Amino acid sequence: GAVVSQHPSWVICKSGTSVKIECRSLDFQATTMFWYRQFPKQSLMLMATSNEGSKATYEQGVEKDKFLINHASLTLSTLTVTSAHPEDSSFYICSARDLTGPTEAFFGQGTRLTVV
Amino acid sequence: KQEVTQIPAALSVPEGENLVLNCSFTDSAIYNLQWFRQDPGKGLTSLLLIQSSQREQTSGRLNASLDKSSGRSTLYIAASQPGDSATYLCAVSTGGFKTIFGAGTRLFVKA
Repeated sequence: GAVVSQHPSWVICKSGTSVKIECRSLDFQATTMFWYRQFPKQSLMLMATSNEGSKATYEQGVEKDKFLINHASLTLSTLTVTSAHPEDSSFYICSARDLTGPTEAFFGQGTRLTVV
Repeated sequence: KQEVTQIPAALSVPEGENLVLNCSFTDSAIYNLQWFRQDPGKGLTSLLLIQSSQREQTSGRLNASLDKSSGRSTLYIAASQPGDSATYLCAVSTGGFKTIFGAGTRLFVKA
């Protein structure tokens, strides 16, 4: 199957700083990517839909000014957690679809963010 | 709004037992349904993908069925092994190609 690479796999940052997470589709083009977060022992919740060349669409309750999403190319989307606080500590996962192929979502490995 | 429910939330079985995990979804207008495995602190491993036009998929000891009209899917694991211990997530793909996840079933297989 197609490969989605997410970087970094884990990051620890100080409260008040910003952290950028990258999501790359390695062998296909993805006009749309998705960002999820997962709190301990909970399921994945969709945060936003990232569209190449346009603004992201955020799910209800997700602060767009806190979670900045940029999808500047067909193979790269970034999520920046701005002014991070301990409550932002979570597991963040991206997914991408190869819109020229089957309707299967391919997921990155995830990023464990810990804000201290 | 699509909602995905998984039953049971947790399951503990002795090694060698066959088991069934259940998934239900509220809106039958899906593109596909996927079963994933997630180990603690890790990402997702895709196990099986069933397209909306399909009834089941098989991979090794795993078999997943889909009844779209009733909004149900089951994941059957044959001859369970301790290495099968993980959380199993059911997810449906909806309009806009969003993936909606269930809360998962935490499986523990005792040696």
